[in-house]
Amino acid sequence: GAVVSQHPSRVICKSGTSVKIECRSLDFQATTMFWYRQFPKQSLMLMATSNEGSKATYEQGVEKDKFLINHASLTLSTLTVTSAHPEDSSFYICSARNRNTEAFFGQGTRLTVV
Amino acid sequence: AQSVTQLDSHVSVSEGTPVLLRCNYSSSYSPSLFWYVQHPNKGLQLLLKYTSAATLVKGINGFEAEFKKSETSFHLTKPSAHMSDAAEYFCVVSDLHSGYALNFGKGTSLLVTP
Repeated sequence: GAVVSQHPSRVICKSGTSVKIECRSLDFQATTMFWYRQFPKQSLMLMATSNEGSKATYEQGVEKDKFLINHASLTLSTLTVTSAHPEDSSFYICSARNRNTEAFFGQGTRLTVV
Repeated sequence: AQSVTQLDSHVSVSEGTPVLLRCNYSSSYSPSLFWYVQHPNKGLQLLLKYTSAATLVKGINGFEAEFKKSETSFHLTKPSAHMSDAAEYFCVVSDLHSGYALNFGKGTSLLVTP
């Protein structure tokens, strides 16, 4: 299957700082990327959907000013957690697809805010 | 609107015995259905998918699932469990209405005992 690379796999940051997570589709052009969040022992919750070149669509309850998503190219989307707080600690996963493919997942990023 | 219900939060089987993980879905459109597996502290791996072709879908590691429209079910089975099958399993639905975002079930934790 296609490869989606997510970086970093783990990050620890101080409360109040911002963290950027990258999601790259390595061998296909991803017209759509999705960002999910997973709390411990829970399922994945869709945070937002981004289409290349347009603004992301956020799910209800997700603060767009808190979780900045940029999808500037067909192979890269970024999620920036701004002014992170301990409650933002979670596992974040991206997935990418185009019209011809299913969604492929990145490896996930474990964010810990201390 | 689409949704997916995994009927069991935990399933325990003995090694060598059959596995059945249950999933029911609702979708206003022709859905695509997936099963993903997540091992502890790891990302997601696609086990199998249904996209309106054959109703019996064979996946990796001996898993298979049958799409039953009349029952709105997509249960995951395996004839003989292996210790390495212990993990979290997610049933996922996707359709045109959601922009093909993946809607995850709450997950079923599979425990395999010796």
